[in-house]
Amino acid sequence: GAVVSQHPSRVICKSGTSVKIECRSLDFQATTMFWYRQFPKQSLMLMATSNEGSKATYEQGVEKDKFLINHASLTLSTLTVTSAHPEDSSFYICSATDVYNEQFFGPGTRLTVL
Amino acid sequence: GQNIDQPTEMTATEGAIVQINCTYQTSGFNGLFWYQQHAGEAPTFLSYNVLDGLEEKGRFSSFLSRSKGYSYLLLKELQMKDSASYLCAVRDNDYKLSFGAGTTVTVRA
Repeated sequence: GAVVSQHPSRVICKSGTSVKIECRSLDFQATTMFWYRQFPKQSLMLMATSNEGSKATYEQGVEKDKFLINHASLTLSTLTVTSAHPEDSSFYICSATDVYNEQFFGPGTRLTVL
Repeated sequence: GQNIDQPTEMTATEGAIVQINCTYQTSGFNGLFWYQQHAGEAPTFLSYNVLDGLEEKGRFSSFLSRSKGYSYLLLKELQMKDSASYLCAVRDNDYKLSFGAGTTVTVRA
């Protein structure tokens, strides 16, 4: 089956720093990748839709200047949390869609901002 | 937007059957998914329905009624490893997924 990886799996940073999370489709090309955020005991909330070679589309309430998304190739999308604060601590999950529009999820990145 | 409702928690005994209901109100519908999620892990795909009826896959079955905006996930012969959160998700015509809050299933011996 299709495999999506994320790096890092866990990251702890100080308030005010920026953190970059990578999402890779390992054995298929993904024209679209999605970024989700999940707070404890809550469901996944879609943050943005990322298409290769174009600007990401952000969901309502998500600050595009704070959550920078780059989708430079068909196998890699990155999410950068800029000037992170404790309230940004969350579980960030990406997914990638194949040519059949089936979504495959990455293993997630646990971000803790001190 | 999508409004997706499912129970918060359910408890069942090992070997039993549990049915998790999901109701939805959508601005567009292009399929309904069920995922299993263990704590601290990403969701894993369980089932997909786009037409009305029952889809069976081993111990798991999923049902969809589009006219009623209703689905259920049926877990049979429950095992301890089935203790997890089960997420109902609706896909819209832009292929975006909207998730319900999840149902935490606890399987007791």
